[in-house]
Amino acid sequence: QSALTQPPSASGSPGQSVTISCTGTSNDIGNYNYVSWYQQHPGKAPKLMIYDVTKRPSGVPGRFSGSKSGNSASLTVSGLQAEDEADYYCSSYAGINHLVFGGGTKVTVL
Amino acid sequence: EVQLLESGGGLVQPGGSLRLSCAASGFTFSNYAMSWVRQVPGKGLEWVSYTSGISTAEYYADSVQGRFTISRDSAKKTVYLQMNSLRDEDTAMYYCAREAVQFGEFPISLDHWGHGTLVTVSS
Repeated sequence: QSALTQPPSASGSPGQSVTISCTGTSNDIGNYNYVSWYQQHPGKAPKLMIYDVTKRPSGVPGRFSGSKSGNSASLTVSGLQAEDEADYYCSSYAGINHLVFGGGTKVTVL
Repeated sequence: EVQLLESGGGLVQPGGSLRLSCAASGFTFSNYAMSWVRQVPGKGLEWVSYTSGISTAEYYADSVQGRFTISRDSAKKTVYLQMNSLRDEDTAMYYCAREAVQFGEFPISLDHWGHGTLVTVSS
């Protein structure tokens, strides 16, 4: 199972929107609606932001939204805030009882 | 409040062994599957292993299959990761994490994470 592909960086000004892509294959993202997104601040543990492609855990702001099309998924952060500056990782169930992560995207709030 | 506390990391020589522990609290432990995820400092996340809550299912990443063993003790509410034949490339922060949905049978999404324990493999 190969890692999912994410852009290394993304940026936006406060109040703007930023969208992060996550590309997989028909063996993972394309075959299962089990895409998750995690936020990680420096020196901290990851935090679940989106699961099952579009669902937000309790406490996650509505500014975070997820989607999927074919073998790719996306995370959109609307109304960017300073505290959204972090690394973001996607993951997907990859069949045969494996979970695969993306390489991560560093989001910078300009 | 859900809490996961990892321990057992440290410095070990190549070829050596180490056992990590993850003490859980704040939820019905037996209802939830658990995973270990590692992260090389400055790099991305890598799923390592999974143990289901209600069955004896255990799954491993190809990179650790045959060298690592996951287990859980419901009485102690603790998950373990026995790591043998350690290699330089196993050096990473190891996180314990809980599956988001109860009674799952395979790894999908992880809603609570510990703070991690650092494993360094070096001579």
